Amino acid sequence: AQSVTQPDIHITVSEGASLELRCNYSYGATPYLFWYVQSPGQGLQLLLKYFSGDTLVQGIKGFEAEFKRSQSSFNLRKPSVHWSDAAEYFCAVGAGNDYKLSFGAGTTVTVRA
Amino acid sequence: DSGVTQTPKHLITATGQRVTLRCSPRSGDLSVYWYQQSLDQGLQFLIQYYNGEERAKGNILERFSAQQFPDLHSELNLSSLELGDSALYFCASKRAVSTDTQYFGPGTRLTVL
Repeated sequence: AQSVTQPDIHITVSEGASLELRCNYSYGATPYLFWYVQSPGQGLQLLLKYFSGDTLVQGIKGFEAEFKRSQSSFNLRKPSVHWSDAAEYFCAVGAGNDYKLSFGAGTTVTVRA
Repeated sequence: DSGVTQTPKHLITATGQRVTLRCSPRSGDLSVYWYQQSLDQGLQFLIQYYNGEERAKGNILERFSAQQFPDLHSELNLSSLELGDSALYFCASKRAVSTDTQYFGPGTRLTVL
């Protein structure tokens, strides 16, 4: 069975600073990997996904993530955060044709002025 | 806007009652997934339907059931409700092939009093 660990429950970052959110997954084969963002009271919006190919994936809102098979990681990064990036971020893993998603516990990002 | 719609947005009911949550997938999407987001369990996969047939089951209680209709909309039925069923219930939809993305609806917030 697949699983996801997000080690950081809460991160506070200054506006304009860089951000990195950690994600480690457990799965026997090559997984499908995703980052979703959830703003307060909102649904889940896909930031980016990895299925195969280039291990550095670009997403929306200036986010990117790098798949590292040797470390079973899929960390999310943004070079310069904006106040609107304050939200909860979920890493998820799927596998197979009709993949169900297994989510991490989420990381809440607070942006201070 | 993901194109996935869920109704109602909020639902408040009492213990022991039965409710139905509705999901309309994106146009052309054949798969519908249901997820539950609660404070203690996080985001969990409940059940998946593909073109009207149940395809996969997750941590779905026996008191819960779902179906997908010929027009591809789906309903999640929750019965004999308990306080612990209070959660945000998400529906997601996906096209047929494995590398398609799951797009999430805005969710239905269920409060059981």
